[in-house]
Amino acid sequence: AQSVTQLDSQVPVFEEAPVELRCNYSSSVSVYLFWYVQYPNQGLQLLLKYLSGSTLVKGINGFEAEFNKSQTSFHLRKPSVHISDTAEYFCAVSPNTGFQKLVFGTGTRLLVSP
Amino acid sequence: DVKVTQSSRYLVKRTGEKVFLECVQDMDHENMFWYRQDPGLGLRLIYFSYDVKMKEKGDIPEGYSVSREKKERFSLILESASTNQTSMYLCASSLRQGVSQPQHFGDGTRLSIL
Repeated sequence: AQSVTQLDSQVPVFEEAPVELRCNYSSSVSVYLFWYVQYPNQGLQLLLKYLSGSTLVKGINGFEAEFNKSQTSFHLRKPSVHISDTAEYFCAVSPNTGFQKLVFGTGTRLLVSP
Repeated sequence: DVKVTQSSRYLVKRTGEKVFLECVQDMDHENMFWYRQDPGLGLRLIYFSYDVKMKEKGDIPEGYSVSREKKERFSLILESASTNQTSMYLCASSLRQGVSQPQHFGDGTRLSIL
């Protein structure tokens, strides 16, 4: 079974500052990793995914994440945030074989203020 | 673009009622999912389906059932609604397995059971 831990329930940051949202996972098998974003009153939208290959993954809206197998982490970063990045961010993991059900973390609310 | 449509954005029902939540996708996806989203708990999988008339229990199926009579439609049924089923419900769909396909989400149904 897989599990995901997002330690920060809320991250406040000023506009144009850098941000890192932390994600750690646990799994006995190899996994795929995902970050989804949920804007207010909307469903989830895929930001980026790691399947294999380069450990640095670039996504939409200037976000990137780095897969670290030894630390079982997949932290999300953006060098300069905008007010419009205010949203809830979910890290998710699935096994890379069999039926690939997603297991989600509890989410991190990013609050960007001017 | 993939479109996943949930029939209601907001729904208010009474305890003991039978409640139907409908979800339709327009991209011929094989897989469909129902999640509930609660603050501090993230998304939890209720049921999923990988083909017409096929269904599998997720992590929290108690009190729910599903129906998939057509490929594009996946219904979630609350047999006898209870107040602890007040939640945000999200439907998602994805292509059949291969290299892991992202899930595409609807905008959610906020269900209140009084």
